[in-house]
Amino acid sequence: DAGVIQSPRHEVTEMGQEVTLRCKPISGHDYLFWYRQTMMRGLELLIYFNNNVPIDDSGMPEDRFSAKMPNASFSTLKIQPSEPRDSAVYFCASSLKIQGTYEQYFGPGTRLTVT
Amino acid sequence: AQSVAQPEDQVNVAEGNPLTVKCTYSVSGNPYLFWYVQYPNRGLQFLLKYITGDNLVKGSYGFEAEFNKSQTSFHLKKPSALVSDSALYFCAVRDDWTPLVFGKGTRLSVIA
Repeated sequence: DAGVIQSPRHEVTEMGQEVTLRCKPISGHDYLFWYRQTMMRGLELLIYFNNNVPIDDSGMPEDRFSAKMPNASFSTLKIQPSEPRDSAVYFCASSLKIQGTYEQYFGPGTRLTVT
Repeated sequence: AQSVAQPEDQVNVAEGNPLTVKCTYSVSGNPYLFWYVQYPNRGLQFLLKYITGDNLVKGSYGFEAEFNKSQTSFHLKKPSALVSDSALYFCAVRDDWTPLVFGKGTRLSVIA
């Protein structure tokens, strides 16, 4: 398997623009997670899905952030409008289960810079 | 709710010396503990995990971790550090049926 795939790897945009990050989880995994990594706050869980259904979005910082999972092989994280403080690395991860010793597999991340 | 503490932002060690990266945790039920490593401009890679019954867990690249229930710790160790081990290390914990909660990470620098 190719692992978790994210695109784009780098995104530079101007404040106020819409940004869409994309993720393809590992085939057969039931769970998908979106994380944000910054120097100040470390790795934060934004939202996670089970079988394409959002389970917990309490980590989504504001209404400007939204995430969808239209099918088992694709998810998007959208920021509209973007702000400079959204600059971070966004990771997608997937897992077969979220119980016990099942590990989560991470994609390479999207580095977002909002100017 | 579960939580993880990595008390050191940075650990420096000379090549060939043993290394320890510290982690303490808090969970309400049985702890499921993991270590991940992140190399520059890469995603997090799974390193090892605690499986009930084995207090000393062996993982990839010669790393191991020691589970201590009384001290609620899961420290990462390696007998002899390599320069290539320099990276950001994350400890993570979950309660059952929850996503992993990660520590803030510890940057390991191995000096030749």
